[in-house]
Amino acid sequence: EVQLVESGGGLVQPGGSLRLSCVASGFTFSSYVMSWVRQAPGKGLEWVSGFSGSGSGTYYADSVKGRFSISRDNSKNTLYLQMNNVRAEDTAMYYCAKDFSVAGPPTLFDYWGQGTLVTVSS
Amino acid sequence: DIQLTQSPSSLSASVGDRVTITCRASQSISSYLNWYQQKSGKAPRLLIYAASSLQSGVPSRFSGSGSGTDFTLTISSLQPEDFATYYCHQSYYSPPPTFGGGTKVEIK
Repeated sequence: EVQLVESGGGLVQPGGSLRLSCVASGFTFSSYVMSWVRQAPGKGLEWVSGFSGSGSGTYYADSVKGRFSISRDNSKNTLYLQMNNVRAEDTAMYYCAKDFSVAGPPTLFDYWGQGTLVTVSS
Repeated sequence: DIQLTQSPSSLSASVGDRVTITCRASQSISSYLNWYQQKSGKAPRLLIYAASSLQSGVPSRFSGSGSGTDFTLTISSLQPEDFATYYCHQSYYSPPPTFGGGTKVEIK
């Protein structure tokens, strides 16, 4: 059974930093593209960042480019999202999502974690 | 970026009703259109991929159709567990993959 468990969310001040983690199990983590998708309170879904399963490609939404950094540790089956210089508009539930694909940019999110909530406020 | 416009943004329906949700893309995306269901307080769940393929474990009352710019999600007979918000998603032009604004299906 595929499982994705996010952690690391919480309250952070504007301009601060936070690192989210997603521990995966039930599939060969190193083989698949993985993404972070967020949802602001009461709003729709927004893709944030993705990491190719081949390990060679990282992708970012324009809204977070230069501030967020995605990484993965295949030995720990863990995906990370380093969030720097956060803004109020980054307040959202952050979901980790497994992709159907093994390489290239994100395409199809076939499994999702339960999410971790990030609140940016002073 | 590809814009996806869903309609309606919300609807009220009764158990047993046939429900149709549409999604229009700002340019052709072939059949690279997927549908997700999200219940309140839960993570999204993949229902339909590649416009019309049913994800494993999803009831057959869900179906999808369309290609190019116009797509449809149909629930043939609405069940109590189907009350949720539905999102379309395109991956033809990625990155970024984009989502529609959502359609909330409520009980009449």
